[in-house]
Amino acid sequence: DQQVKQNSPSLSVQEGRISILNCDYTNSMFDYFLWYKKYPAEGPTFLISISSIKDKNEDGRFTVFLNKSAKHLSLHIVPSQPGDSAVYFCAASTGSQGNLIFGKGTKLSVKP
Amino acid sequence: EAGVVQSPRYKIIEKKQPVAFWCNPISGHNTLYWYLQNLGQGPELLIRYENEEAVDDSQLPKDRFSAERLKGVDSTLKIQPAELGDSAVYLCASSLGGTGNNEQFFGPGTRLTVL
Repeated sequence: DQQVKQNSPSLSVQEGRISILNCDYTNSMFDYFLWYKKYPAEGPTFLISISSIKDKNEDGRFTVFLNKSAKHLSLHIVPSQPGDSAVYFCAASTGSQGNLIFGKGTKLSVKP
Repeated sequence: EAGVVQSPRYKIIEKKQPVAFWCNPISGHNTLYWYLQNLGQGPELLIRYENEEAVDDSQLPKDRFSAERLKGVDSTLKIQPAELGDSAVYLCASSLGGTGNNEQFFGPGTRLTVL
């Protein structure tokens, strides 16, 4: 059973608009969450993280929101740029040093 | 700063043949991970090293897969013999380890095709 779920395989957004990528988790022991971005033929690169003691973390155009009661997190990209087109993976762990459990990814396409 | 280096980038072999992948982590990173990524899936952990010790190999199919990290730096992952279902991307990642966040830095991966 998947512990980290990204139910949208793909998302298409117009340049300049907001991109919202969603992630759900089932394991209540998860307390550390990360987003990774992956371009074709490259390894995933770390984007942003959030600890369960927070409900929001912001870094430039990227903001991650965590709703612990709903076991749901989302990544907001504002404004979206064509260079943001990539596959985005949500990952979760128990403790900041725990093993990462990844979702299946969401492919974001930002159209000029 | 050099990133995680993996070689080869691509490998095509026939089933039942052996294959090996090599990883050089970021300098100073004590923790090293090998992941398997199937098409349309996220990375799945195979083995985790803290220095030269394999601290979690519970997901490594030990009948055909083996790994080593001699001297706590470079690592190799071996499959012998390879099966058709082993076709995937094998990713290596490293992190500082110790306390703090778990930001893992990934290499570009080795794409394995088993014919």
